[in-house]
Amino acid sequence: NAGVTQTPKFRILKIGQSMTLQCTQDMNHNYMYWYRQDPGMGLKLIYYSVGAGITDKGEVPNGYNVSRSTTEDFPLRLELAAPSQTSVYFCASSYSSRGRFSNQPQHFGDGTRLSIL
Amino acid sequence: TQLLEQSPQFLSIQEGENLTVYCNSSSVFSSLQWYRQEPGEGPVLLVTVVTGGEVKKLKRLTFQFGDARKDSSLHITAAQPGDTGLYLCAGALLSSGNTGKLIFGQGTTLQVKP
Repeated sequence: NAGVTQTPKFRILKIGQSMTLQCTQDMNHNYMYWYRQDPGMGLKLIYYSVGAGITDKGEVPNGYNVSRSTTEDFPLRLELAAPSQTSVYFCASSYSSRGRFSNQPQHFGDGTRLSIL
Repeated sequence: TQLLEQSPQFLSIQEGENLTVYCNSSSVFSSLQWYRQEPGEGPVLLVTVVTGGEVKKLKRLTFQFGDARKDSSLHITAAQPGDTGLYLCAGALLSSGNTGKLIFGQGTTLQVKP
C-alpha cells in the first residue's frame, strides 16, 4: 500500500520562482490537507479539501494555492517563492465522516523539504 | 498565539523513567488525537479520544481526555529508547464540524537515553 505519496522529497528554490508540490493518495479518502511544519510550531493547516472540486483555506493560506480535480490528487502551488516559505510541507488524507463531527485519523506523507534562497 | 498549548517542548530522560506530556486549551474539542513523528517521516496516529474523562492505554502509554474536553495528557511508563521521537497532540474544534480539520500543538521532542 502506497498510502500518501509526496513529490519531490527535497527542493531548493530561488526567491520569486514558482513550483508545485505533488500529493496523491490511493486510499479513496475524500478529505485531504496541506500543512507546513516549522521548528517548535507544530503543524499549521494551509488548505484543505473535503472532496473533488471543493477546497478551502486553513490557518496560513497566504502565498499558496491548491486545486482538487480528482479524489486522488491534491497539488499545492507556490507562485512567488519567499524565504518565509522555507519549511517542511506535509500532505495528509482521511476518511470522510457522515456524522456531525469527524474523528477519523489523518494519514500523512513523508513530507517535502523546501528551502527558498 | 497557540490554540493548543503542549508542554514540555523538550524532554530528555533516562531509560526506565516515567514522563507526562500535557496538551491544554481554553477551547472545547469534539475529539483529540495523539501522533508520533520520526525524523524524515510524517506523523503517525497513536490514539483518538472522544469522550470527556476517557482513558485509553496503548502498552506503556496512557492517554487521558479532560472531563471538559479542553485538555489531554500522555503518560509513558518506564520509557525506552524506542520511545524517542516527536509527540504531537491535535484537536478537532466543535466549529470544524465533520471537515476533519485539526489544530496541532507545538509538539514535544522526547529523547530517552539508554
